[in-house]
Amino acid sequence: EDQVTQSPEALRLQEGESSSLNCSYTVSGLRGLFWYRQDPGKGPEFLFTLYSAGEEKEKERLKATLTKKESFLHITAPKPEDSATYLCAVQETKAAGNKLTFGGGTRVLVKP
Amino acid sequence: GAGVSQSPRYKVAKRGQDVALRCDPISGHVSLFWYQQALGQGPEFLTYFQNEAQLDKSGLPSDRFFAERPEGSVSTLKIQRTQQEDSAVYLCASSSTLNTEAFFGQGTRLTVV
Repeated sequence: EDQVTQSPEALRLQEGESSSLNCSYTVSGLRGLFWYRQDPGKGPEFLFTLYSAGEEKEKERLKATLTKKESFLHITAPKPEDSATYLCAVQETKAAGNKLTFGGGTRVLVKP
Repeated sequence: GAGVSQSPRYKVAKRGQDVALRCDPISGHVSLFWYQQALGQGPEFLTYFQNEAQLDKSGLPSDRFFAERPEGSVSTLKIQRTQQEDSAVYLCASSSTLNTEAFFGQGTRLTVV
């Protein structure tokens, strides 16, 4: 069974203090790994898809990387508006459609 | 519409009451998913439609949960005889083709009292 574990559960940062979030996964075959951002009271907002080990993607202050067992979301010089819950999800090769298995999320708070 | 729309945004139900939650996916999106999100947790898969066909309902927690998408567009998630443990946010997502990202609605927060 697919398993996705995110760490830490919560992260408090000072504005400008870079950090990394971890997503460890176990799947029989990975079709894709997804990162989403979720603000309170809203649905998840798509950030990145990674398909193969060694792949990297960037968007503003965020950079996602992928290995065969885990993914990292690096936040460089974060701003208060980066405060949110970051969700990692995997899509297995044999999953119907593009069903996602999510981790529990990392709640990030960036203080000014 | 521009995004996935869900209604109602909030629903309070008395235990034992039936509820129906609606999802309007992005126009033209073939795939539609329902997820359940408990407070402080990640979303959990409930069911998946490709057009009007329900191809995977393995995540539905009991036979009190039923989903339909009769014309391959709007979908309804129905919960019969609601229980307190059904309290959660129900998220709908749609995507255009396989291997592309899913776009989520804002969810319906269901509270069973």
